[in-house]
Order: sequence, then structure tokens, then C-alpha cells
Amino acid sequence: EVQVVESGGGLVQPGGSLRLSCAASGFTFSSYWMTWVRQAPGKGLEWVANINQDGSEKYYVDSVKGRFTISRDNAKNSLYLQMNSLRAEDTAVYYCASRYAPTYWGQGTLVTVSS
Amino acid sequence: DIVMTQTPLSLSVTPGQSASISCKSSQSLLHSDGKTYLYWYLQKPGQSPQLLIYEVSSRFSGVPDRFSGSGSGTDFTLKISRVEAEDVGVYYCMHGIHLPPTFGQGTKVEIK
Repeated sequence: EVQVVESGGGLVQPGGSLRLSCAASGFTFSSYWMTWVRQAPGKGLEWVANINQDGSEKYYVDSVKGRFTISRDNAKNSLYLQMNSLRAEDTAVYYCASRYAPTYWGQGTLVTVSS
Repeated sequence: DIVMTQTPLSLSVTPGQSASISCKSSQSLLHSDGKTYLYWYLQKPGQSPQLLIYEVSSRFSGVPDRFSGSGSGTDFTLKISRVEAEDVGVYYCMHGIHLPPTFGQGTKVEIK
């Protein structure tokens, strides 16, 4: 059974940092692109970033470029999102999903940016 | 960025009846490889989104055959035949032809 489980969310002050993790199982993690998608409270879905199989290609939505970094550790079947210089508008549930077109989604982890 | 526009934004359906959701993209989603990168997702209340349809009309594993997708170029439709209570939630279309992928605003489906 495919599973992706996010962790690392929480309350952080504006300007602060947070690192999200995603543990994947049930599929050959190293063979697939991975994606982060977020959903602000009561809002729709927004693609945030993705990364190719060996981590050599990384892409970001404009609003997070220069502040967020996506990475992966294929030995640990894990995906990460380092979020720096956080803003109130980054408040959202962050979902980890497998593949370039999000296929299997985790349950999400809530990030709240507030003073 | 490609803009994805869904209509209607909300829909109330009698169980057993059918429902259709339209999704229009601001650019063609037909790739030079011959595939059209249009996806449909359902987010049930309190849950994560789940993939229903990929590449316009292919049902993802385990998706009931009452869900069907159609369309081409910039105009796409998700049809739910014989709506059931478990189909309630918000439906999103998404393109994947180039970066960044973008989603439609979502269509909320309720049962009468």
C-alpha cells in the first residue's frame, strides 16, 4: 500500500523557518518525481514545488522562490521542504504527493505563520 | 501561468442523477508528445485530495466507472453518472503541461 506521511508543521513567527518532512512507502521512491502542494484555510489547492528522481531538477512557484528549498533523500525514502523567511500568506496545510502530477497524497501538515 | 476556470462553482445533485463540471484552460493542454495533461481531483470533506482522472479521460486505479472525463485542447468536462452520497466534496481540475501546474478554483458538489 502506498503511503506518504507529512510531519514538521506548526506555529512559527513571521520571518521564521520550518522544515517539513514526508516519509514515503509502498512504492519505489527513487523512481518518481515528488511534489508539494498547499491549501490555505478555506481556499483551493496551490502547487508549491517539485523535484525529479535524483534531485537534480527542482521547480518552485514564484511566490516561494528564494525562500523554500525542496530536497529528497532516496536512501531514506524521504522528501523535505525547507521554508525560510515565512510570511502570513504561507499559512496552509502542506501536502506531499508522489509523481509529477500529484497521485498519492499524504494527510497534510498545517503550517501557521503568525505572531 | 495557465489559468484554469471551472464552472459551476457549486452544484447540488439528486442521488442517482448525473452531474457535469466544466474546466477551461487559458492555453491548450495538448503537448507535443501527443498527450493532454489535464487531471481531475476530488477532495472529500476533511480529507486530502485524491486523483480521479489523468490525461483527460483515464480513470485512476479504484475510481468507479461512473466518473468519466472528456475534452480536448482547452475545454474539458468531468461527468459523474448516478451520483452517490459519497461523491460529495470539492472537485478540482489541474493542468500539468508545463510549470507551474495550476488548479481550477474548485467545484463544490452537494447532495440534495
